[in-house]
Amino acid sequence: DAGVTQSPTHLIKTRGQQVTLRCSPISGHKSVSWYQQVLGQGPQFIFQYYEKEERGRGNFPDRFSARQFPNYSSELNVNALLLGDSALYLCASSLEGTHEQYFGPGTRLTVT
Amino acid sequence: GDSVTQMEGPVTLSEEAFLTINCTYTATGYPSLFWYVQYPGEGLQLLLKATKADDKGSNKGFEATYRKETTSFHLEKGSVQVSDSAVYFCALRSGGYQKVTFGTGTKLQVIP
Repeated sequence: DAGVTQSPTHLIKTRGQQVTLRCSPISGHKSVSWYQQVLGQGPQFIFQYYEKEERGRGNFPDRFSARQFPNYSSELNVNALLLGDSALYLCASSLEGTHEQYFGPGTRLTVT
Repeated sequence: GDSVTQMEGPVTLSEEAFLTINCTYTATGYPSLFWYVQYPGEGLQLLLKATKADDKGSNKGFEATYRKETTSFHLEKGSVQVSDSAVYFCALRSGGYQKVTFGTGTKLQVIP
């Protein structure tokens, strides 16, 4: 079975631009979470979505938004990019009621 | 709020040495505890978990015991291999949704 997939793998953007990252969860998983991992740090929670509704939000500005589609895939949008947004963005999916989250390989975003 | 503190790395060991990576946490309620591993160039993988006090999680020779009295979840392995070289993250989940709080990670390098 396919694991969590994310696209693109890498991208480079300029300050002030907008970016959209995509995630497809494991088949049957209805919950998707997004994390930001700055180099040398642990991942920081951004959002969780379940059944297309936002279930939780971390301490990130309103420039960060997300949504989940009927097929449970998800997009993370970041507006007005700052240099500090450069990071690895991880998506994780899980079955509701379980403890495990399964992570994708991440999207490496570089803002110049 | 929730937090995880783990020993700073890098940790360098010779093959077959004993490994301990310390982890302590602060959380409300009764969190679930995890160790994740991140191999170079790859995403996060769940290594082991414990969901209640005194539980012992184990996988691939790694073990960790949920100690509520000391709020700790130290990772141990009796004999490390070169292939264990990676970054290890201690993490917890509390509350009703899937937010996971991670430590800053400990890099392990095993030399032949």
